[in-house]
Amino acid sequence: GDSVTQMEGPVTLSEEAFLTINCTYTATGYPSLFWYVQYPGEGLQLLLKATKADDKGSNKGFEATYRKETTSFHLEKGSVQVSDSAVYFCALGNTNAGKSTFGDGTTLTVKP
Amino acid sequence: DVKVTQSSRYLVKRTGEKVFLECVQDMDHENMFWYRQDPGLGLRLIYFSYDVKMKEKGDIPEGYSVSREKKERFSLILESASTNQTSMYLCASTSPGTGARQPQHFGDGTRLSIL
Repeated sequence: GDSVTQMEGPVTLSEEAFLTINCTYTATGYPSLFWYVQYPGEGLQLLLKATKADDKGSNKGFEATYRKETTSFHLEKGSVQVSDSAVYFCALGNTNAGKSTFGDGTTLTVKP
Repeated sequence: DVKVTQSSRYLVKRTGEKVFLECVQDMDHENMFWYRQDPGLGLRLIYFSYDVKMKEKGDIPEGYSVSREKKERFSLILESASTNQTSMYLCASTSPGTGARQPQHFGDGTRLSIL
């Protein structure tokens, strides 16, 4: 079945540092890939998505590129802020039913 | 913007009680989901529904049931609450989409404590 493996946390960075959170997946067919963010005390919200190979999703300074050859969708940001402290989930959607497979989440803490 | 509303942010119940968690979405989505989120375990799917009166078991359905009488509302029921059901519960919805798979839209969650 489908699966998503993402970098274990927690990750602690200083403000303005470069961020990478690794995500790899296993799936049949042509899934869509998503990154969600969960701020403290809230539900998940979509951060960015990519629907086919070589697509780049971007939002709020975050980027991720759909790499079919390496089955990866790594999340990057050039300069993190304290307000980026949150839990980040990588996920894939592989059926028209809307069911998604989620990674375990990576907690990011950014210190001033 | 899609709005998914969960009826309570915090809920405290007693062991053995029947507990109802309500979720309403305003975007006419066909598909709705209930997850629980526990530290170190990520999101685990409890139940989902493709349409009114339809339901499918997820990965951890034991001890739970669901109800979908109207398209916009999906209820999670703890038949006889137990302390191991203390958790954060998240509701989500999505449309089936055509071609590209659609992301899910989440509510803010209900933090349920069973004493």
